[in-house]
Amino acid sequence: EAGVTQFPSHSVIEKGQTVTLRCDPISGHDNLYWYRRVMGKEIKFLLHFVKESKQDESGMPNNRFLAERTGGTYSTLKVQPAELEDSGVYFCASSQVRTTEAFFGQGTRLTVV
Amino acid sequence: QKEVEQDPGPLSVPEGAIVSLNCTYSNSAFQYFMWYRQYSRKGPELLMYTYSSGNKEDGRFTAQVDKSSKYISLFIRDSQPSDSATYLCAMSFVGGTSYGKLTFGQGTILTVHP
Repeated sequence: EAGVTQFPSHSVIEKGQTVTLRCDPISGHDNLYWYRRVMGKEIKFLLHFVKESKQDESGMPNNRFLAERTGGTYSTLKVQPAELEDSGVYFCASSQVRTTEAFFGQGTRLTVV
Repeated sequence: QKEVEQDPGPLSVPEGAIVSLNCTYSNSAFQYFMWYRQYSRKGPELLMYTYSSGNKEDGRFTAQVDKSSKYISLFIRDSQPSDSATYLCAMSFVGGTSYGKLTFGQGTILTVHP
């Protein structure tokens, strides 16, 4: 069974540009989460989808971040326009309904220069 | 004050040693407690999870939760060089819109040298 897959693994963009990160969860997992780790800090929650619906987006830093989950399958996280402080590793995780056992992808390392 | 405190280390031990990793937390509403292992350039991998207080053992790994002290531990017996990684504690609530939302510690970097 395939795990959680994230694309790209690494992205370097200039300040002001737009970047879109993609996450393919484990098949059948209704819960999908985005997390972010900035350098020197802990991994922090960004938002939670249940199928295609946003359940909790309390961790989204500002309105430059837009997350979508089309048809309850894969998810994208768009940053527009990117700022220097957006640099970090973005993780996606998925889990089955009514469980906290989340499986993580390998992460996308975003560098904004 | 952070909700979850974890000493980032680094921690270096010889092969075969017993390793003790710890986290403290401030929110008594946390009910699920997890330990993740993360190798360099990889995503976190779930090692163990416990619900509420108590101990759980899986091979060389033992997780302990003391809710009265808001303190959780992970013990690794007979540590191996392959155990070298970053160990992250994580916690979550049960129910409501926050179900499954994990709050992480900063992670402890562990190196087991031959």
